[in-house]
Amino acid sequence: DTGVSQNPRHKITKRGQNVTFRCDPISEHNRLYWYRQTLGQGPEFLTYFQNEAQLEKSRLLSDRFSAERPKGSFSTLEIQRTEQGDSAMYLCASSFDRDRANYGYTFGSGTRLTVV
Amino acid sequence: SQKIEQNSEALNIQEGKTATLTCNYTNYSPAYLQWYRQDPGRGPVFLLLIRENEKEKRKERLKVTFDTTLKQSLFHITASQPADSATYLCAGNNDYKLSFGAGTTVTVRA
Repeated sequence: DTGVSQNPRHKITKRGQNVTFRCDPISEHNRLYWYRQTLGQGPEFLTYFQNEAQLEKSRLLSDRFSAERPKGSFSTLEIQRTEQGDSAMYLCASSFDRDRANYGYTFGSGTRLTVV
Repeated sequence: SQKIEQNSEALNIQEGKTATLTCNYTNYSPAYLQWYRQDPGRGPVFLLLIRENEKEKRKERLKVTFDTTLKQSLFHITASQPADSATYLCAGNNDYKLSFGAGTTVTVRA
């Protein structure tokens, strides 16, 4: 297992199109997170899964955004009717419950979305 | 609302010197503070975690402190090298959700 994998690395889309990103976490990790990062800012929390259950969604996540984690393995983040303001780096991270007090989260390399 | 602030956007230092980065938090009390390194176009990489009941933690040339009175964490890179040039992010959490600062970009000159 080589870490958290995100695909695609880059996505350019026209405004109004739908896009879907995929995240494959570290296999032993039961928690999975999505963050969004814009230039010059730190990552902002979007949503969080424990196994297959989505436990929290940020107010940043409008109804155009949906995330799933079927069977508690990989996760997808879909953005419908993209807007230019959606342009950002979308980061996925995973962690394991018992490690939380000693280790941080493992992030993927992100998907860079550009809406034109 | 809870906030993590990293005072400096950028820090330029000479190779061999110690870089000191500051992270302040307001309107909440995180049980943990974490520091990450981020290179351009890449995701953050975990470096160190310190708990609120720990005053200091070290890992190789890195040292982090947690002062709950000042509501502040300091992150030190000793004997800095050009390879340490990156953006360093501070993050606080009580449970699963991390709140990040905007980061400090460190440039180490040879």
